[in-house]
Amino acid sequence: GAVVSQHPSWVICKSGTSVKIECRSLDFQATTMFWYRQFPKQSLMLMATSNEGSKATYEQGVEKDKFLINHASLTLSTLTVTSAHPEDSSFYICSFSPGGSVEQYFGPGTRLTVT
Amino acid sequence: GEDVEQSLFLSVREGDSSVINCTYTDSSSTYLYWYKQEPGAGLQLLTYIFSNMDMKQDQRLTVLLNKKDKHLSLRIADTQTGDSAIYFCAEGENRDDKIIFGKGTRLHILP
Repeated sequence: GAVVSQHPSWVICKSGTSVKIECRSLDFQATTMFWYRQFPKQSLMLMATSNEGSKATYEQGVEKDKFLINHASLTLSTLTVTSAHPEDSSFYICSFSPGGSVEQYFGPGTRLTVT
Repeated sequence: GEDVEQSLFLSVREGDSSVINCTYTDSSSTYLYWYKQEPGAGLQLLTYIFSNMDMKQDQRLTVLLNKKDKHLSLRIADTQTGDSAIYFCAEGENRDDKIIFGKGTRLHILP
């Protein structure tokens, strides 16, 4: 099946710093991608949807100035958590959706710990 | 609003059938999904069903949909140790569109 990678897989940072998470599709191109966050024993909460070449659409309650999404190409998207706080500690997961596909392909996730 | 509910934990003996249940609230859901999450790996689509179907079978997997009650279930026949994972129920309205996930059911296999 399609492969999506995320880097880093785990990152620890200090409060107030910014962290960038990369998401790449390795063997397909996709115009639409999604960023989720997942708390322990909780569902995946959609943060934003982005189409390549367009600004991301953020879900209600997600600060777009704090969670910067750059959908740089059909195979690469980045999520930057700016001025990180301990409450931003979570598991961040990306997914790509090839055009016209029912299925989304998910990355393995990035665990962010803010101290 | 949109909501997907499922039990958090299920324990099943190896060789028995596992049945994971899910309810959803969005009546305009077109696609109902079951995803599997294993440690260190991305969510993997197991199967999906269109809202106008009642049942879908794929090898050991059987999905039942009761649209009237907004109830979805996943049956895994002859459960194996490799089936141990978290199973997420999810719903969506359109292709390429956002998906709303449940909290996931952790399936534990007893020897």
